Amino acid sequence: AQSVAQPEDQVNVAEGNPLTVKCTYSVSGNPYLFWYVQYPNRGLQFLLKYITGDNLVKGSYGFEAEFNKSQTSFHLKKPSALVSDSALYFCAFDTGRRALTFGSGTRLQVQP
Amino acid sequence: GAVVSQHPSWVICKSGTSVKIECRSLDFQATTMFWYRQFPKQSLMLMATSNEGSKATYEQGVEKDKFLINHASLTLSTLTVTSAHPEDSSFYICSEPGQGDNEQFFGPGTRLTVL
Repeated sequence: AQSVAQPEDQVNVAEGNPLTVKCTYSVSGNPYLFWYVQYPNRGLQFLLKYITGDNLVKGSYGFEAEFNKSQTSFHLKKPSALVSDSALYFCAFDTGRRALTFGSGTRLQVQP
Repeated sequence: GAVVSQHPSWVICKSGTSVKIECRSLDFQATTMFWYRQFPKQSLMLMATSNEGSKATYEQGVEKDKFLINHASLTLSTLTVTSAHPEDSSFYICSEPGQGDNEQFFGPGTRLTVL
């Protein structure tokens, strides 16, 4: 079955340090990959997507992700973490029906 | 982007009662909406696809008689949890798919607690 995996339940990083949230995919064909962020009691917010083209995708709030076909990865990155980045992050792919299949989520904790 | 609202934001009900959750697309006419369910500290799972003017499409394992979906207009989809039980307690989230390859737009979610 097609899926995305987020191997880390939680990532801890100090404010100002670079952060990486990992995602690997097992999707046939050309995957449409997304990153969303969920803050407490709020809906999911779109960060970025990869459809085709440049493997480095830049998104909202200074986040970026690199699509790596050989490693089947789509890790989310940010050069300098903020305390306000602390949230739950989801990697997802479009099933082709416009619905999304989500990874298990990674909680990012940025310490001041 | 599109704005999606949900009502109520939270609800507590007794076991055996039915609860209706509304999902509105405020600035976009949505022929399709999606309903997801999120258990505490877990991921979102697609429950069903709501289709305006026709029957909803349910994912495998989702009881269509328990989770009634109605998409009567281009701006409103409703999810009714019938005869709710404590195991139905969850966070229910709707989304509107947007256009083309664009991202989906999610509602803020409805937290259902069944006592």
